[in-house]
Amino acid sequence: EADIYQTPRYLVIGTGKKITLECSQTMGHDKMYWYQQDPGMELHLIHYSYGVNSTEKGDLSSESTVSRIRTEHFPLTLESARPSHTSQYLCASSAGQGLPETLHFGNGTRLTVT
Amino acid sequence: KNQVEQSPQSLIILEGKNCTLQCNYTVSPFSNLRWYKQDTGRGPVSLTIMTFSENTKSNGRYTATLDADTKQSSLHITASQLSDSASYICVVSDRGSTLGRLYFGRGTQLTVWP
Repeated sequence: EADIYQTPRYLVIGTGKKITLECSQTMGHDKMYWYQQDPGMELHLIHYSYGVNSTEKGDLSSESTVSRIRTEHFPLTLESARPSHTSQYLCASSAGQGLPETLHFGNGTRLTVT
Repeated sequence: KNQVEQSPQSLIILEGKNCTLQCNYTVSPFSNLRWYKQDTGRGPVSLTIMTFSENTKSNGRYTATLDADTKQSSLHITASQLSDSASYICVVSDRGSTLGRLYFGRGTQLTVWP
């Protein structure tokens, strides 16, 4: 299995709170991604990074922000959580060299906003 | 519109039986197609990757086929085991950029009964 870790695994938080979802990988991958996954639905890309100090918004509009200060670390922050943010958040990384690339996923953070 | 459609949405089979999952896509231009397995509460894990020139690829009891002309792929599971119970996700990448844009299907939820 890939060495990519997400914490916490589960989080229940009240509306308006600020939260940070952690993602770290030990593979030295340049590319990292955040996906949102709801039951029975496809994964949606919300943020990605091609390397340190590089971040871009994905296809799905999101009120979250990300940072990439170190290669191995790609945290996602919600400044003010709302019930609509309730979802599963998956972090992934890839080597970024040549095609086709394989995404290595973490086990996700299941977020519930009450 | 680029899309990935998977069928069936869910499937129940008895242990030891074979099954085939389908993936139809409209993604163009096509680069490659991946099948991922996602166990409950875990992140997706890559099973196979196929490029345009490949029409069959095996990974143990999993065999994926690709017909780039009809834009169809299938994942065949032989002699199913209880551990095969999972969601199987088809992911298609385009050639629109050097990085490739990923299009995710909604997955087929497979349940293997003893």
